[in-house]
Amino acid sequence: SAVISQKPSRDICQRGTSLTIQCQVDSQVTMMFWYRQQPGQSLTLIATANQGSEATYESGFVIDKFPISRPNLTFSTLTVSNMSPEDSSIYLCSATGGLNTEAFFGQGTRLTVV
Amino acid sequence: SQKIEQNSEALNIQEGKTATLTCNYTNYSPAYLQWYRQDPGRGPVFLLLIRENEKEKRKERLKVTFDTTLKQSLFHITASQPADSATYLCALTSYNTDKLIFGTGTRLQVFP
Repeated sequence: SAVISQKPSRDICQRGTSLTIQCQVDSQVTMMFWYRQQPGQSLTLIATANQGSEATYESGFVIDKFPISRPNLTFSTLTVSNMSPEDSSIYLCSATGGLNTEAFFGQGTRLTVV
Repeated sequence: SQKIEQNSEALNIQEGKTATLTCNYTNYSPAYLQWYRQDPGRGPVFLLLIRENEKEKRKERLKVTFDTTLKQSLFHITASQPADSATYLCALTSYNTDKLIFGTGTRLQVFP
C-alpha cells in the first residue's frame, strides 16, 4: 500500500493568482495522476504525471492552465494558474503501484477562488 | 461518447438489509472494474477489483459482479451497517493503462 500526503489541504485564493499543490508518496509508485472533483460530483481526470517528462493531459485540460511536474517517482506538483472562481474545486493526487492495480489517493486540496 | 453511470439518486436502506449499487457503462471496453468508497472530505479508498473475465468477486460483506454483455457491474453490501454510509464510486480501466475513469457515484445512507 501507499500513503499519499497532499498540501495544502485547503486554500482560499484571489482570482488571477496561481496555487501549487504538492503530492508526496511514501513509497515508489509507477503512475501518478491528478483529478478534480467538483462539490457533490465524481472525479474527473486532469492528467497523468510522467516522471521526468511532460504530463499527459485529458481532453479539456491544458498545460498552460495546469502545469504538472514529477521530478522523481514519489513526488508531483500541480499548479492551477491564473485562477478564476470556476477553478474552485477539490484537487486529488493519486498513485498506483503497477498496471491495473488499486489506486491510492491523497486527502485532497479544497481550493476556493474569490 | 463514453459514459459510466451509477444510481443517480441516493440509496437509503435499513440496517441489516443488503444494499445493491449499479454501475452501467457505454462505449467502453474495460479490462478491469474497481469499486471505491469515499467519505466526506476524504479521498476515495479502494474496495474491490474485478477483471473482465471474472463474473464475481467477494470480500467479507462485499460482493461485486461484472457482466460485460450487459455492460454492468453490481456492488452488494450484505448486512449493511450505518458505518457503511458513504459515497461509492465505480471506476474502469482499459488494457495497458492505469488511468481510472470514474462513474458518477452513489451516496448510500444506512439508517438504524
